[in-house]
Amino acid sequence: DVKVTQSSRYLVKRTGEKVFLECVQDMDHENMFWYRQDPGLGLRLIYFSYDVKMKEKGDIPEGYSVSREKKERFSLILESASTNQTSMYLCASSLSHLSGLDNEQFFGPGTRLTVL
Amino acid sequence: AQKITQTQPGMFVQEKEAVTLDCTYDTSDQSYGLFWYKQPSSGEMIFLIYQGSYDEQNATEGRYSLNFQKARKSTNLVISASQLGDSAMYFCAMREGSPRSQAGTALIFGKGTTLSVSS
Repeated sequence: DVKVTQSSRYLVKRTGEKVFLECVQDMDHENMFWYRQDPGLGLRLIYFSYDVKMKEKGDIPEGYSVSREKKERFSLILESASTNQTSMYLCASSLSHLSGLDNEQFFGPGTRLTVL
Repeated sequence: AQKITQTQPGMFVQEKEAVTLDCTYDTSDQSYGLFWYKQPSSGEMIFLIYQGSYDEQNATEGRYSLNFQKARKSTNLVISASQLGDSAMYFCAMREGSPRSQAGTALIFGKGTTLSVSS
C-alpha cells in the first residue's frame, strides 16, 4: 500500500514564524503535490514537484515555497506565517506525469495549521 | 470560470437509500480523467472511482457508480444502499489531457458536497 505521511496532524504557530510542513511517500513516486483546503473552496494546488529539485507553481503559490532534495520528501515552507495561512494542508503523490490519465493521487492525512 | 462544479453543498439521506451527488466539469480537451474522492471527518482523502473520457461504460466500484454524460459534461456519483459510514465530504476532480504545464497534470478539485446519512 502506498503511504504518504505528514509530519504533524495539528500545528499552531505565531505570525511571522517560519513554518515547515514535511511530507514523505514510500512508493518511489515522481510526482508530489501540496494542496490547501478551506471550507467552501475545495482543494487548491499550491506547488507541484515532478522530480528531485524540480517544482512548478500551482494556483496559489504566494507566501509559500517548497523544497524537494530527495525523491521521497517534499517540504512546504511558509517563510513568514500569516493568519490567512490558517488552513488544512494536504500532501499527495502520484506515479509520474507521464503516466495515464487514470494515475491516482494518494493523499496524506493532512496538517491543520493555525497561525495566531 | 470553475472547471469543476459541485452545486450541492450538503445532502441528507437515510440509511439504505440511494443518493446521487452531482458534478459538472468544463474542459476543451477531448481526453481527460474524472475522479471522486471521499473525505471523512478524520481528514484523509480516499479515492473512490475513476472515469476516463473515452470509457464507453459507466464506471462502477461496489456500491459506487458514475452516471457519466459526456455531452452534458457531468459525472454524477451514485451511492447505493447508503451506510452511516458514508457520511463524509465528497470531492469530484478532473485531470485534463492536454495540460499547459507539468503542474497541469495535477487534479483540479470541486468545492465538495457534504453527505450526511442518518439511521
